[in-house]
Amino acid sequence: DVQLLESGGGLVQPGGSLRLSCGASGFTFSYYAMSWVRQAPGKGLEWVSSLSGGGGSAWYADSVKGRFTISRDNSRNTVYLQMNSLRAEDTAVYHCAKGSIDDYGEFEWWGQGMLVTVSS
Amino acid sequence: IVLTQSPATLSLSPGERATLSCGASQSVTNSYLAWYQQKPGLAPRLLIYDASSRATGIPDRFSGSGSGTDFTLTISRLEPEDFAVYYCQQYGSLPLTFGGGTKVEIK
Repeated sequence: DVQLLESGGGLVQPGGSLRLSCGASGFTFSYYAMSWVRQAPGKGLEWVSSLSGGGGSAWYADSVKGRFTISRDNSRNTVYLQMNSLRAEDTAVYHCAKGSIDDYGEFEWWGQGMLVTVSS
Repeated sequence: IVLTQSPATLSLSPGERATLSCGASQSVTNSYLAWYQQKPGLAPRLLIYDASSRATGIPDRFSGSGSGTDFTLTISRLEPEDFAVYYCQQYGSLPLTFGGGTKVEIK
């Protein structure tokens, strides 16, 4: 079975940094794009970033471009989201998600999510 | 592409048919549209991709249709476990976008 487990969330001050990790199992990790999708409390879903299987192509939402960086370590079956210059509006549950192909697309499997709170 | 889902809330009884709409501000390339179900406190679950293909393990009471700018998710007969929030998502062009969601609640 596919499993995705996020870690690294928590409380951070505005302007601070945080790195999320997502460990994957149950599939050949390097074959598939991986993504991050967030959900602010009581709100809908917002795509954040996606990364191709080999890590050569990355895509970002305008709201995080220049502040967030997605990366992956295929030897560890892990995808990361480095979040810098955090703002209050970045407060959300961050889900990692597996794609169905080696490109951006639909989100076939989701992790349970990790809460990131940006507040002083 | 902005996705607008309607209605915002659908109040129905178990056994009834549910019809959810997702309208796009411009044509969705290759009908690259997905539907997800989300229950409180849980991760979303992929139901439909490519507008009309059911994801693995999804019951056949869920069906998707549409093309261009108008898409529909139909639940033929609501089961108790189907009461949840449903989101559409387009992946035909960047940025990837989601609709605002439709809550299907018990009447």
